Amino acid sequence: NAGVTQTPKFRVLKTGQSMTLLCAQDMNHEYMYWYRQDPGMGLRLIHYSVGEGTTAKGEVPDGYNVSRLKKQNFLLGLESAAPSQTSVYFCASSYSPAYEQYFGPGTRLTVT
Amino acid sequence: AQKVTQAQTEISVVEKEDVTLDCVYETRDTTYYLFWYKQPPSGELVFLIRRNSFDEQNEISGRYSWNFQKSTSSFNFTITASQVVDSAVYFCALQTGANNLFFGTGTRLTVIP
Repeated sequence: NAGVTQTPKFRVLKTGQSMTLLCAQDMNHEYMYWYRQDPGMGLRLIHYSVGEGTTAKGEVPDGYNVSRLKKQNFLLGLESAAPSQTSVYFCASSYSPAYEQYFGPGTRLTVT
Repeated sequence: AQKVTQAQTEISVVEKEDVTLDCVYETRDTTYYLFWYKQPPSGELVFLIRRNSFDEQNEISGRYSWNFQKSTSSFNFTITASQVVDSAVYFCALQTGANNLFFGTGTRLTVIP
């Protein structure tokens, strides 16, 4: 039982490049989330999904897109990376919004 | 508007001291959930406790205890007899009816041996 996994763990991009972060969970959770963590700001929700084929915007969605084609996977895309997107990205999943979220190990992204 | 305030940015204690981490929240919803998460130096986020708005009973788990008071909108976390392994950033979070979890900015706890 791996829980929530994220790939890659680290990535360096140049401004304007694109990339996709992959999140996978093996707990059969309906709800999945993408957060970014910046120093002094806690975690902020980027996008979330309440089930396969659904996505919705969170607090800071600009510059990101997501897809949930399979229940176990939640992809976060950056179409044209900007230095302001330098951050640590966490994926999470939960059984329902009322229950705790299980977090992946994070992806440290640097955009130069 | 929903908001979580953790006024203590950093706290240092000597091992075996007790320490309380404060959390104050704001919401107009009557149904909500409060959480504490721990982020050790390794970076992962670890769930510690969940409490719903209708359950004000305090909870104790080993050296950890939580005090939930709706009257003051607070959900404080106390570590008794702190240990070096308790050194981490601790986040308080609020979940309301929407699919959104609002995190505080965290309190960095350093336990000095």
